[in-house]
Amino acid sequence: ETGVTQTPRHLVMGMTNKKSLKCEQHLGHNAMYWYKQSAKKPLELMFVYNFKEQTENNSVPSRFSPECPNSSHLFLHLHTLQPEDSALYLCASSQWTARYNEQFFGPGTRLTVL
Amino acid sequence: RKEVEQDPGPFNVPEGATVAFNCTYSNSASQSFFWYRQDCRKEPKLLMSVYSSGNEDGRFTAQLNRASQYISLLIRDSKLSDSATYLCVVSLIQGAQKLVFGQGTRLTINP
Repeated sequence: ETGVTQTPRHLVMGMTNKKSLKCEQHLGHNAMYWYKQSAKKPLELMFVYNFKEQTENNSVPSRFSPECPNSSHLFLHLHTLQPEDSALYLCASSQWTARYNEQFFGPGTRLTVL
Repeated sequence: RKEVEQDPGPFNVPEGATVAFNCTYSNSASQSFFWYRQDCRKEPKLLMSVYSSGNEDGRFTAQLNRASQYISLLIRDSKLSDSATYLCVVSLIQGAQKLVFGQGTRLTINP
């Protein structure tokens, strides 16, 4: 099993749909992250979870709702999205310490909002 | 001004050439610096951390200039497999979880 897996890999949804993205890490890490990567823009951090607790919300609109039921799983619930939300959504995990934080990324979910 | 700025390229160089990328960051309080690599339609992967004294990993050399707030990556004897987008990454605090990514520099190595 690869380190960080994401499903689905591709998703097309309408603006009124509700869908969820799933991320699972098999590395025994204590932190998980959601990032957004839009075309021709840098990777943007959306949310950080440490030991299942959300510690960072980078001013993300409420139509994105994260959920972290345990240290290995992370979800991103999507509701009433806009076409500009179309992007690659990447999950990452890390074994966070005070000195070191290499983040391992999943393959991403490519989302298209019609 | 962007927090982390890179020349997006693309850089097209012949196999075996030496190629250098620079990256500038705006926050002088930044503490940790990295280069990530992202292959086409793949996820980013850590290439190397960047230390104040400069560091080398095989054909790759990274350097940090705090006074000028720039980071560099040098690739010697480039291989076809080095073709990728190289992301400059900065964080304010050592070990911090909030990483700030540059837009990336696209490199293509030609045979």
